[in-house]
Amino acid sequence: SQQGEEDPQALSIQEGENATMNCSYKTSINNLQWYRQNSGRGLVHLILIRSNEREKHSGRLRVTLDTSKKSSSLLITASRAADTASYFCATSNNAGNMLTFGGGTRLMVKP
Amino acid sequence: GAGVSQSPSNKVTEKGKDVELRCDPISGHTALYWYRQSLGQGLEFLIYFQGNSAPDKSGLPSDRFSAERTGGSVSTLTIQRTQQEDSAVYLCASSQQGRQFFGPGTRLTVL
Repeated sequence: SQQGEEDPQALSIQEGENATMNCSYKTSINNLQWYRQNSGRGLVHLILIRSNEREKHSGRLRVTLDTSKKSSSLLITASRAADTASYFCATSNNAGNMLTFGGGTRLMVKP
Repeated sequence: GAGVSQSPSNKVTEKGKDVELRCDPISGHTALYWYRQSLGQGLEFLIYFQGNSAPDKSGLPSDRFSAERTGGSVSTLTIQRTQQEDSAVYLCASSQQGRQFFGPGTRLTVL
C-alpha cells in the first residue's frame, strides 16, 4: 500500500494565485521529498525536507513538515501556467533511501 | 552533466512476449531504483539496488519481473510473458546521498 497520500487529488487555480498541496504518511520517516511530473514522464525533484526540519523554502516553493501529524504541505506562491503538472510527495525511512510515493496532486494553473 | 537515461522511450509489444528495459544511471551513483506508474496513478516501487548488496526485490509484482545491474552501473528490467496489466511507464532513478534523480521513463504498451 502507498505510504504517502496527497490531498487534493486535483486542483485548478488562476495564474497568480497560490497553490497548496498536502501530503500525509503513515510511518516514521528520515526525510520527505516533493517531486513534479509533467505529462506523465520525467520526475523532477523539487525539495527535500528532513525529519528534524519544520519548514524549507526554495524560490516560490515553501514546504512544511509536521512529524507529530505525519503530514507535509507544499505551497507554490504566485503560480504560473508553467506550474501545471502533477506533484508527488515521497518519503524515505530510516532504514535506507528507498522512496515511497503517493498518488499525486494534479495542478492546473489557468492563464 | 548527463542525467539518468532509459531506453527505449516507447515499447509496444504483444501479450505473451518478453521485454527488456534499460537504465543508465548517473555515473558514480551507487543506488538504482525501478518504479512503475500506471495511467493516472502514483509511482509503485519495484526493485532497489545498492552497491554490491543483494537487491531489494520486495516491490516486484510477480515472478515474471526480474532485474539485474551489471558492474554496478547499467540495469535491465525484464518482464517475461507480458500481460496487458503490465502496460505502464517504467521509471528508473539513481541516487547518491538520499536525493533521487529520475530518468524520462519507458512507456510500455502491451496489446
